Amino acid sequence: EVQLVQSGAEVKKPGATVKISCKVVGHTFTDYYMHWVQQAPGKGPEWMGRVNPEDGETIYAAKFQGRVTITADTSTHTGYMELSILRSEDTAVYYCATEVGTTFDPWGQGTLVTVSS
Amino acid sequence: EIVLTQSPGTLSLSPGERATLSCRASQSVSSSYLAWYQQKPGQAPRLLIYGASSRATGIPDRFSGSGSGTDFTLTISRLEPEDFAMYYCQQCGSSPPHWTFGQGTKVEIK
Repeated sequence: EVQLVQSGAEVKKPGATVKISCKVVGHTFTDYYMHWVQQAPGKGPEWMGRVNPEDGETIYAAKFQGRVTITADTSTHTGYMELSILRSEDTAVYYCATEVGTTFDPWGQGTLVTVSS
Repeated sequence: EIVLTQSPGTLSLSPGERATLSCRASQSVSSSYLAWYQQKPGQAPRLLIYGASSRATGIPDRFSGSGSGTDFTLTISRLEPEDFAMYYCQQCGSSPPHWTFGQGTKVEIK
């Protein structure tokens, strides 16, 4: 069974940077793209970007371009999402997910990031 | 960028009833790239339907998807208690690759 295990909740001040991890268990890490999705309270999911773990190539959503960095460490089978210049609107649950075809399956359990002064 | 609009926002039904959820795209979407997810409170979304009409592994056959072009539908033939949740449609676009979600439909117990 494939599992994506994310790091724990974070509390950050406005202007800070957060880095969340997502460890893949149960499949070959380099075989599947890893995506990151933001879900603000009471809102639908919003795609942030993806990384190809095999070569590190990334694509980002226009909304997050310039503030988000997605990376993959093949030695530890772990993906990372770093979001900088945090503001209150970035308070959300962040999910990693594996791309299969063009769908996301499975997803990590989610990481709550709270941005508050 | 393609915008997905889901309707209704909330669907109030009783167990055993049929649920029909709509997802309308602002421009034509390849059926191959349209998916549906279920999300329960405090949980990650779960893939239900991919390619507009194919059920994901382990998804009961009371869930079905249909549609093409700009109009897609998720149907739950007979609601079970565990089906009351949020549902999102998703599409994958190209040039450059990007993914968008609808705003969701909440299926609640009447």
